Amino acid sequence: SQQGEEDPQALSIQEGENATMNCSYKTSINNLQWYRQNSGRGLVHLILIRSNEREKHSGRLRVTLDTSKKSSSLLITASRAADTASYFCATAPQGNFNKFYFGSGTKLNVKP
Amino acid sequence: SAVISQKPSRDICQRGTSLTIQCQVDSQVTMMFWYRQQPGQSLTLIATANQGSEATYESGFVIDKFPISRPNLTFSTLTVSNMSPEDSSIYLCSVVRQGTEAFFGQGTRLTVV
Repeated sequence: SQQGEEDPQALSIQEGENATMNCSYKTSINNLQWYRQNSGRGLVHLILIRSNEREKHSGRLRVTLDTSKKSSSLLITASRAADTASYFCATAPQGNFNKFYFGSGTKLNVKP
Repeated sequence: SAVISQKPSRDICQRGTSLTIQCQVDSQVTMMFWYRQQPGQSLTLIATANQGSEATYESGFVIDKFPISRPNLTFSTLTVSNMSPEDSSIYLCSVVRQGTEAFFGQGTRLTVV
């Protein structure tokens, strides 16, 4: 990908379990965002974390950011079958926070 | 938020032909972006469509293959030229509110045969 890698590439868990996805990126950033994409559909924005923030929460989502390691993680707690989707991180480079480079994505399958 | 309309939503094209994709936004934006999503892959930024100046292309993308127009602050087109099966992808238009999330159109699913 243009920006970096996500791991794992695919993750299969049971409903109720937690899912953790990791994102690494290459350059200094202004902010990092996470998106969800259901199969064949548009992108849904989940959460934005700025470069001066270390952790953010939104409902069942928890995002961390470590700028020294150029990495971020997305934790989905108490997963549901409806969380089955592809998840992408996207970074806005420092100095140009209006365009985004996407990571390679993680395909999450939550089994009922 | 922003409402983005893309046309066409899908198309099947013959190799060697060109397709122009339209993107209409419900409000004025300074920059619009075009992405490609190949089957099973992530999104790759093609270019930034700037109003009043030429588009800015990312590494690996050239104007001859992907000419872009931006006649005003709410509209842009992306043309995929001289298509080959490798161009089969979803093409997405995107806008960003200053320092916030990106908004995406529903995409144009292109199949080249």
